[in-house]
Amino acid sequence: AQSVTQPDIHITVSEGASLELRCNYSYGATPYLFWYVQSPGQGLQLLLKYFSGDTLVQGIKGFEAEFKRSQSSFNLRKPSVHWSDAAEYFCAGAHFQKLVFGTGTRLLVSP
Amino acid sequence: DGGITQSPKYLFRKEGQNVTLSCEQNLNHDAMYWYRQDPGQGLRLIYYSQIVNDFQKGDIAEGYSVSREKKESFPLTVTSAQKNPTAFYLCASISGTNLNNEQFFGPGTRLTVL
Repeated sequence: AQSVTQPDIHITVSEGASLELRCNYSYGATPYLFWYVQSPGQGLQLLLKYFSGDTLVQGIKGFEAEFKRSQSSFNLRKPSVHWSDAAEYFCAGAHFQKLVFGTGTRLLVSP
Repeated sequence: DGGITQSPKYLFRKEGQNVTLSCEQNLNHDAMYWYRQDPGQGLRLIYYSQIVNDFQKGDIAEGYSVSREKKESFPLTVTSAQKNPTAFYLCASISGTNLNNEQFFGPGTRLTVL
């Protein structure tokens, strides 16, 4: 079955440090992949998406992600984290007409 | 402003009662979705609808029902058959039916069954 895995339940990063959140997928063909962010008690907001072409995609709020077929990964990165980035992050993959979500990674930002 | 409205934000119900969660969008989107979110489990798809008067079961449809009588509305009923209904429920919509397009999410409804 198609699946998306986020191996880290939570990550703590110092403000100003770089960030990488991991996402692995299991899809036969080139998947559609997404990263969403959720603030506590809120809905989800799309950060970026990958369908094809350039494997490095830029998103909002200074985030980027790199699609690596050889590693079945779509990791999210940010060069310098701000306290306002503290939230939960979800990776998702499109399967037919449905999105399959990972279990999420909670990002904590320390001063 | 266009967007998705979910009401109420918090909902409390007694065990055994049916309850209906509202989802309305004014984005003129064709497809709408209902997800359930539990801690540590991400989002799981309950039902989705790609066109008025038609809908499909998602991965966890048991104990839930939906209707799509109008393009802008996709209410979800949590029935007494749902064994563990306490959760955060999210509604989403998408322009057309192609997941190339961004899926917009509502602010969610937190349902607590007492």
